[in-house]
Amino acid sequence: RKEVEQDPGPFNVPEGATVAFNCTYSNSASQSFFWYRQDCRKEPKLLMSVYSSGNEDGRFTAQLNRASQYISLLIRDSKLSDSATYLCVVNPNYGGATNKLIFGTGTLLAVQP
Amino acid sequence: DTAVSQTPKYLVTQMGNDKSIKCEQNLGHDTMYWYKQDSKKFLKIMFSYNNKELIINETVPNRFSPKSPDKAHLNLHINSLELGDSAVYFCASSHRLAGGTDTQYFGPGTRLTVL
Repeated sequence: RKEVEQDPGPFNVPEGATVAFNCTYSNSASQSFFWYRQDCRKEPKLLMSVYSSGNEDGRFTAQLNRASQYISLLIRDSKLSDSATYLCVVNPNYGGATNKLIFGTGTLLAVQP
Repeated sequence: DTAVSQTPKYLVTQMGNDKSIKCEQNLGHDTMYWYKQDSKKFLKIMFSYNNKELIINETVPNRFSPKSPDKAHLNLHINSLELGDSAVYFCASSHRLAGGTDTQYFGPGTRLTVL
């Protein structure tokens, strides 16, 4: 089983739609969770961290369910500029302070005009 | 004012050659990383250095040798290049925290093609 699993997509949605991405992780001891965004032929960039109580940043909402080892990202009112690959990222915190990140394979989002 | 820079951006070379990729960060971070992103877009960590000390060394062929002359630089040397080494190599940097949660900033990537 992969350490971090995501639906690869692609998700093709019209502008203005709401879209949700899901991710599961295998290591129940994982401590830190993130969503990164990667545009085509560019580097990954942090979109948002994911906190236990859930958190929101504008049109983006992230949720964490530790019991199910499940992370989600909701994008409301999709814009053309949201088209990218969304990477679910987990820090399993092996042995403490190694700052090692495990990346999912990403979910491709294409927002259509 | 580039935060994490890599050179070269593109590298095309023949099998069996030896090549190096350089990375520099001006963010004052103490930890740097090398990642490999293969043709299926899977991004996987290879190495990490903290204050010039190797702290993460994943299962990588020993043809790959990282070197950190100081905490702002992390280079990657690859000997005897193979077809399977073709990928995009990303450098990243961050602060190292006890909780391991600090943001990692990525360089623009080096697209390596081995012919």
